Amino acid sequence: GENVEQHPSTLSVQEGDSAVIKCTYSDSASNYFPWYKQELGKRPQLIIDIRSNVGEKKDQRIAVTLNKTAKHFSLHITETQPEDSAVYFCAATGGGTSYGKLTFGQGTILTVHP
Amino acid sequence: DGGITQSPKYLFRKEGQNVTLSCEQNLNHDAMYWYRQDPGQGLRLIYYSQIVNDFQKGDIAEGYSVSREKKESFPLTVTSAQKNPTAFYLCASSISSGITDTQYFGPGTRLTVL
Repeated sequence: GENVEQHPSTLSVQEGDSAVIKCTYSDSASNYFPWYKQELGKRPQLIIDIRSNVGEKKDQRIAVTLNKTAKHFSLHITETQPEDSAVYFCAATGGGTSYGKLTFGQGTILTVHP
Repeated sequence: DGGITQSPKYLFRKEGQNVTLSCEQNLNHDAMYWYRQDPGQGLRLIYYSQIVNDFQKGDIAEGYSVSREKKESFPLTVTSAQKNPTAFYLCASSISSGITDTQYFGPGTRLTVL
């Protein structure tokens, strides 16, 4: 089955800096890669996703890049703000399954210091 | 994701008891999912349902049971056979079970075994 590795497990930045979180996946047939943000005690919320026919996608301060050859994808947050502090999860789906089974990374705790 | 509700928010269970977690959605989504979240780990799939009256085991189904009698509802029962049930339980739904269909999460139920 699919295996998703996420790094780093914790990330601390100063407000205004950029933050980058990287994920690798094992199944080359995977073709959908969402990113979720989860604040403490809250539900995960989709912040951006990318499908395998696209190499990069941007939404204001957030971007995701996908390298299918190397089987990795990354989340980039620019001009970080304290409200960006949360746990971020990457996930991959597809990979030969017949349904949208999401395999999640272990999560990255992002702390943005004012 | 405001159309997915879970109850209760907190649940306490004595060892040996079965408990049922509620998940309801008014998004007219066909597919529904149950995930378990433990500290420092990503989400793991317990069960999923692609359509009414049908459901399949996920990666960690042992000690859990589900039903899908209505499109809107996908309750999860944590049985006494689940050896370590204390966790945060998240329900999700998607418009269908397609590989690239976005999953939206409910607010979660935190289960504690006393």
